Amino acid sequence: DTEVTQTPKHLVMGMTNKKSLKCEQHMGHRAMYWYKQKAKKPPELMFVYSYEKLSINESVPSRFSPECPNSSLLNLHLHALQPEDSALYLCASSQDNYRGQPQHFGDGTRLSIL
Amino acid sequence: ILNVEQSPQSLHVQEGDSTNFTCSFPSSNFYALHWYRWETAKSPEALFVMTLNGDEKKKGRISATLNTKEGYSYLYIKGSQPEDSATYLCAFNNNDMRFGAGTRLTVKP
Repeated sequence: DTEVTQTPKHLVMGMTNKKSLKCEQHMGHRAMYWYKQKAKKPPELMFVYSYEKLSINESVPSRFSPECPNSSLLNLHLHALQPEDSALYLCASSQDNYRGQPQHFGDGTRLSIL
Repeated sequence: ILNVEQSPQSLHVQEGDSTNFTCSFPSSNFYALHWYRWETAKSPEALFVMTLNGDEKKKGRISATLNTKEGYSYLYIKGSQPEDSATYLCAFNNNDMRFGAGTRLTVKP
């Protein structure tokens, strides 16, 4: 069982909907990450939170809005998404944002935009 | 090399065969190189994080080497088993994490 829990596992939404993806870890990790992965492509880093502060935003469109309410939780708020945003969204955590720390991944949320 | 490249894209081997695949990455501004195993319907699992040129790491039948000067890492699997079937991802960790597209390994019984 993964120690990083993502909900929901699957999400289908229309382009005008607002939804949120959730990620939770209880390993005491202080860095959390969102990745987007399209089929047969490498995971692409979207956001990094370090000690609950956004430290890296890889020029992601504003229709994706991350939130880190506390050190165990990471949300990704979705609004007015486009069909090309359909992908697997992976959450990960590591002990801190020190380069060289292994990341622990959740199972992902598979998102489909109608 | 600007991106992280992995080869081959896919590999089919028989149970008991030993195999290896390659990760190429930018040789400048290196900090760390990660290897992950990603089984279908599961989450990626960390195998190794390598930071020093010449590093060799081992976990059971899986080992990895690192050459930061020429920008490559090899992952070796000795005596492949069907449960080794997975996609093996490497990631170049500098200011961000840049993943390769992975090598998909299938081990036939």
